[in-house]
Amino acid sequence: EDKVVQSPLSLVVHEGDTVTLNCSYEVTNFRSLLWYKQEKKAPTFLFMLTSSGIEKKSGRLSSILDKKELFSILNITATQTGDSAIYLCVGGSGGSNYKLTFGKGTLLTVNP
Amino acid sequence: GAGVSQSPSNKVTEKGKDVELRCDPISGHTALYWYRQSLGQGLEFLIYFQGNSAPDKSGLPSDRFSAERTGGSVSTLTIQRTQQEDSAVYLCASSLVGGRLSSYEQYFGPGTRLTVT
Repeated sequence: EDKVVQSPLSLVVHEGDTVTLNCSYEVTNFRSLLWYKQEKKAPTFLFMLTSSGIEKKSGRLSSILDKKELFSILNITATQTGDSAIYLCVGGSGGSNYKLTFGKGTLLTVNP
Repeated sequence: GAGVSQSPSNKVTEKGKDVELRCDPISGHTALYWYRQSLGQGLEFLIYFQGNSAPDKSGLPSDRFSAERTGGSVSTLTIQRTQQEDSAVYLCASSLVGGRLSSYEQYFGPGTRLTVT
């Protein structure tokens, strides 16, 4: 059974801190790993990772995938209160049966 | 306990036909969401139900899409006159209380993979 496990489940930090969110996956016919930020309703797409060892960056956020260890991390530097959200990690499988496997998310709270 | 369930798990339909996708949320969850994920794309919000309030339909891509939620539980997403670009995985999620981050965790169903030929 495919699964995506995120850690920690929740995290409380102060503004300016750097955080690392973890995601391990076991996905049959793995094709991509996606990160989302979820605040109110719709998750916001952050990154799609398909290749190992290539860091993707967007402002203060960055992510990298390790396909050998079946692992991905999401880094947020100089955190702001607006970064408070649930961060979802999702494994996408390819082939004829493309499907998504969702992690439960990491709830990040950034205090002023 | 039972999680969010969706049916069918796979649906292949011909262009122009109507389809109905079903979602059974977790019992007691007042918020229900529909999303779709096209191959290689991010998650796209479609519609959001919260209790007895009017649904937020802002994500529906066209008037061919509609959804209803009966009795505050089961929801049906209907796509009329399907087009090939409607092919995607349609995901349903529910949460205990919508809109508040602290109780926001969404539980996703396994999705319905729709293929329009």
